[in-house]
Order: sequence, then structure tokens, then C-alpha cells
Amino acid sequence: DTEVTQTPKHLVMGMTNKKSLKCEQHMGHRAMYWYKQKAKKPPELMFVYSYEKLSINESVPSRFSPECPNSSLLNLHLHALQPEDSALYLCASSPLLAGADTQYFGPGTRLTVL
Amino acid sequence: GQNIDQPTEMTATEGAIVQINCTYQTSGFNGLFWYQQHAGEAPTFLSYNVLDGLEEKGRFSSFLSRSKGYSYLLLKELQMKDSASYLCAVKGRGGGNKLTFGTGTQLKVEL
Repeated sequence: DTEVTQTPKHLVMGMTNKKSLKCEQHMGHRAMYWYKQKAKKPPELMFVYSYEKLSINESVPSRFSPECPNSSLLNLHLHALQPEDSALYLCASSPLLAGADTQYFGPGTRLTVL
Repeated sequence: GQNIDQPTEMTATEGAIVQINCTYQTSGFNGLFWYQQHAGEAPTFLSYNVLDGLEEKGRFSSFLSRSKGYSYLLLKELQMKDSASYLCAVKGRGGGNKLTFGTGTQLKVEL
């Protein structure tokens, strides 16, 4: 089973709202990732958690706040977003192997900021 | 830094063979991945190369030449459902477990 689940599938929010995106995997993977993808562009890495600790933050604005409550769950808290933050937000996980550490992606949350 | 180049678009005929190229310049190399992404969906893993040569998986094969900084994805017996974006992604040495994606090649399969 290589399933990563994400909720919600779609989210519309105003610039003053606070919302959260959720991601879950039950593959025993020890690394989890958040990516942002705009239309016709490749995924852009935002954050990486390794063994539940934040290991990479790609200079993401503080209005995006990640959280890893346990090894299976990853959240992305959103606050005071801008319309340009509208995008597909993808979660991924990987086992953290030395070699072919394949990342498996969830279906994404399509976010629209009004 | 890392730079990854792929053609933006390709068109091929159902039943044919198509080769999608990817060239990269990286500060260290620790593997190259190919993903398929249908419009509005998540990327799905296709193949991984870390040593030179060809990896075959059914209708899909991927080739790597580390000395040339070059890879290709070969799709045989094309089907309409193969119409998608194909993303080349490189894992560098150091920098955590970071994948850098190319811009993707949009493949259109026609009758």
C-alpha cells in the first residue's frame, strides 16, 4: 500500500481566515513533505520533516506553519494568506532510505484564496 | 545549485514509441526519478536510476548517463491514457532528502 491521504480535497478561504491542511500515511515512512504546485509548473518543495523534526524549510513565509504531531500525520496551518498562494498543495512521504528513497504523493488539496 | 531541462511539450501517436529527455547539472548526484502527473492529480512514481544504464518496467524504461548528466524516459506501445506531464527529478548529495523537479514534459498522445 503506497497511499498518502490528504484532506480536504478543495478549500476556499478568505485572506483573514485560519485553516489547516491535513496529510496522513500508514506506510511507516519517516520523512514527510509539503509541496506547492501552480498550474503547468513543477512541484516546489516547502518543508521536510525527518523523524518528526523539521529538517528543511525552503524560506517559506510564516503565514504557512507546518506541524508533525506524530510519524503518520502532517499538518499545514494557514493564516492571512494572499491570493497568489492559491495552488495545489501536495503532501508526500518516503521511507528515508539511503538509496532509492522514493517519495509517494497524496492527491493534493486545491486551495483558492479570495 | 541544480538545473534540470526537459522539453516543454511532445506529441506522439497511439501505439508508437516516444523518448522524453532530461539533462541536469547538479552539485552532487544521488539518483534521478521520473514521475507521471495527470492534470489535477498527484505525481505518481515511474522509475529510479542511480547507476548508468537502462531500467525496464513493462512499457516504461529509463536510462541514465551520469557522465553526460542525461536521462531519458522511453514509453512503448503508447496509449491514450499516457497523455500526461512527465517530471524528471534529481536528488542531490547533502541538502537533506530534497528532490529538485524539472519543469515537466507535457505529452499528448493522438489517434
